[in-house]
Amino acid sequence: DTEVTQTPKHLVMGMTNKKSLKCEQHMGHRAMYWYKQKAKKPPELMFVYSYEKLSINESVPSRFSPECPNSSLLNLHLHALQPEDSALYLCASSLNQGQGGEQFFGPGTRLTVL
Amino acid sequence: GEDVEQSLFLSVREGDSSVINCTYTDSSSTYLYWYKQEPGAGLQLLTYIFSNMDMKQDQRLTVLLNKKDKHLSLRIADTQTGDSAIYFCAESPGGYNKLIFGAGTRLAVHP
Repeated sequence: DTEVTQTPKHLVMGMTNKKSLKCEQHMGHRAMYWYKQKAKKPPELMFVYSYEKLSINESVPSRFSPECPNSSLLNLHLHALQPEDSALYLCASSLNQGQGGEQFFGPGTRLTVL
Repeated sequence: GEDVEQSLFLSVREGDSSVINCTYTDSSSTYLYWYKQEPGAGLQLLTYIFSNMDMKQDQRLTVLLNKKDKHLSLRIADTQTGDSAIYFCAESPGGYNKLIFGAGTRLAVHP
């Protein structure tokens, strides 16, 4: 099983809503990532978890709150988002956070903030 | 600094070879990657190359690395319409698997 799954596929939310994005992998990977991809742009790293601990936060606004409840699951909690936060949110995982190796991506959650 | 550059568009005829080029800046990148993204989809890892290699071949894909010039290329032999997608080059500078992506090259395959 070399699959990273993400739910939901699509999400529409208002600026006052609270929602969560979910990501799951069962490859035994110990590093998990959130990326944000705006239309016609490359993905940009948001957060990295290594062994369930947050190791990188790329100066992401606090309205995005990541959580790694166990080694297979990664959540991204959303609160008070802005329309400019509309994007494709991609989750990825790799065996560990050391340099190199394969990083597998999920299909993404397309988020629209009204 | 961290910067990855790619040409934005490539058009090829079905059956021809495609060559997508990329330049990167960080010589500490141990691995360099090629990802494919189809419309509305996530990223699919196509292949990657270790920095001490010059070439890697995997079926129709050939990756060439010129470490001195920090130039990476992806050659797709016998290009098919199913190869139409955006191709991203990525480096992982300094460790931590933080991927820095180029802007992506849109490959259009026509009959």
